[in-house]
Amino acid sequence: EPEVTQTPSHQVTQMGQEVILRCVPISNHLYFYWYRQILGQKVEFLVSFYNNEISEKSEIFDDQFSVERPDGSNFTLKIRSTKLEDSAMYFCARSQDTNTEAFFGQGTRLTVV
Amino acid sequence: AQSVSQHNHHVILSEAASLELGCNYSYGGTVNLFWYVQYPGQHLQLLLKYFSGDPLVKGIKGFEAEFIKSKFSFNLRKPSVQWSDTAEYFCAVNGRGNNRLAFGKGNQVVVIP
Repeated sequence: EPEVTQTPSHQVTQMGQEVILRCVPISNHLYFYWYRQILGQKVEFLVSFYNNEISEKSEIFDDQFSVERPDGSNFTLKIRSTKLEDSAMYFCARSQDTNTEAFFGQGTRLTVV
Repeated sequence: AQSVSQHNHHVILSEAASLELGCNYSYGGTVNLFWYVQYPGQHLQLLLKYFSGDPLVKGIKGFEAEFIKSKFSFNLRKPSVQWSDTAEYFCAVNGRGNNRLAFGKGNQVVVIP
C-alpha cells in the first residue's frame, strides 16, 4: 500500500486551463514534495514544502505553479494555465526529515491537450 | 547541483541471471544515496538506501548496492533475478541535509521467465 495517496490518477485538461493535483500523506511527516516525470525523461524535483511554506523550489517551478496545504491534510499542486509541455506524471512525496528517505505516491498522469 | 547517470536504459534478461545496474553521481559534498523501484502500475518504492557506515547495503527482495566513494558510484546488484523483478529502477541522490532528490533516467528491466 502506498503511504501517499494521490488523486486523480489521470487527468486530461485543455491547454490554458487550471488543474489541481491532490496528495494525502498518510502520516504526520512534515516534509512534502512534488516531482514530475515527462515521458522518457528523468524524474525532476519541483518543490519541497515544510511547515506550511516552500523550503526549496527548482527552476521548473515558475509562477504558474503553486502549492499549499489548505486543511493540514491535503497537499496540493496547482498549475494555473496549463501548457502542452506540462504533460507528465506528477509524484507527491513525503519524508520525516531531510536525511531520511522519501515515500512516494502512485502519481497523477496529467495530459494537456 | 547534483546529477545522476544511469546507463543501459533497457535491460532484458532471463530468470536466474545476475543483474547489475550502474549508477554514477556528481556532487561536491556528502551524499545520501537511494535506489527506488517502480513495478508496473505501482508507486515508487524504496529498494535500499545509503547514508553512512558499511558501503555495502542490503535492501529488500535480495537486492544490494555498493557505494564506492572514489568512483562516485552506487551500483545495484542481484545475484539471481525472478520474473517479478520486472520493473523500472531509479537511482537517486541528495546532498546531506538537502531534501531535494536528483534522479537518474531509470533502467527498465524485463525478466523473461
